[in-house]
Amino acid sequence: DQQVKQNSPSLSVQEGRISILNCDYTNSMFDYFLWYKKYPAEGPTFLISISSIKDKNEDGRFTVFLNKSAKHLSLHIVPSQPGDSAVYFCAASEGGQGGSEKLVFGKGTKLTVNP
Amino acid sequence: DVKVTQSSRYLVKRTGEKVFLECVQDMDHENMFWYRQDPGLGLRLIYFSYDVKMKEKGDIPEGYSVSREKKERFSLILESASTNQTSMYLCASSLVALLTYEQYFGPGTRLTVT
Repeated sequence: DQQVKQNSPSLSVQEGRISILNCDYTNSMFDYFLWYKKYPAEGPTFLISISSIKDKNEDGRFTVFLNKSAKHLSLHIVPSQPGDSAVYFCAASEGGQGGSEKLVFGKGTKLTVNP
Repeated sequence: DVKVTQSSRYLVKRTGEKVFLECVQDMDHENMFWYRQDPGLGLRLIYFSYDVKMKEKGDIPEGYSVSREKKERFSLILESASTNQTSMYLCASSLVALLTYEQYFGPGTRLTVT
């Protein structure tokens, strides 16, 4: 069963507008959440993260919001730029005990920002 | 900057061949991971290693094995390649002390099995 779900396979927005990418999770043991961005033929690159003790983390144009009671997080990109067009993966971790810091990834959302 | 390198960007192999995918990281990370990425399926963990000679199965280990003889190097082995192993393979590493669980990825190897 999928523990991390990104229900929108794709999203298209206009340049300058806000992009909102959503992610839901089912495992209440997750305590750290990350967003990765991936261009075609490249490896994913880390974008932003949030600990379960916070409800918001901001880094420039990127903000991640966490709603623990709803088991939901979202990534906001404001303003969106054509260079943001990529696949975005949501990932979650239960935290490391005994060296097991695995990440569970969602299936990704392809964002297209139109000029 | 952390650098994770993978031995090949593109690889074409025949069914039944033994295939070795190599990954090297230069930041003394304890953890290393192998994923495959397929359209509509996201990133799926094949194997990971948290120390030299230590390994654990991920979600889809069937048909694969791994080797970690040195801390910086993690190899993925396809014992007998099959067409359903055609995929993008991604290696990643992470530092235990970081406590943010951030993984650093290599550029990927696009493997085609014919």
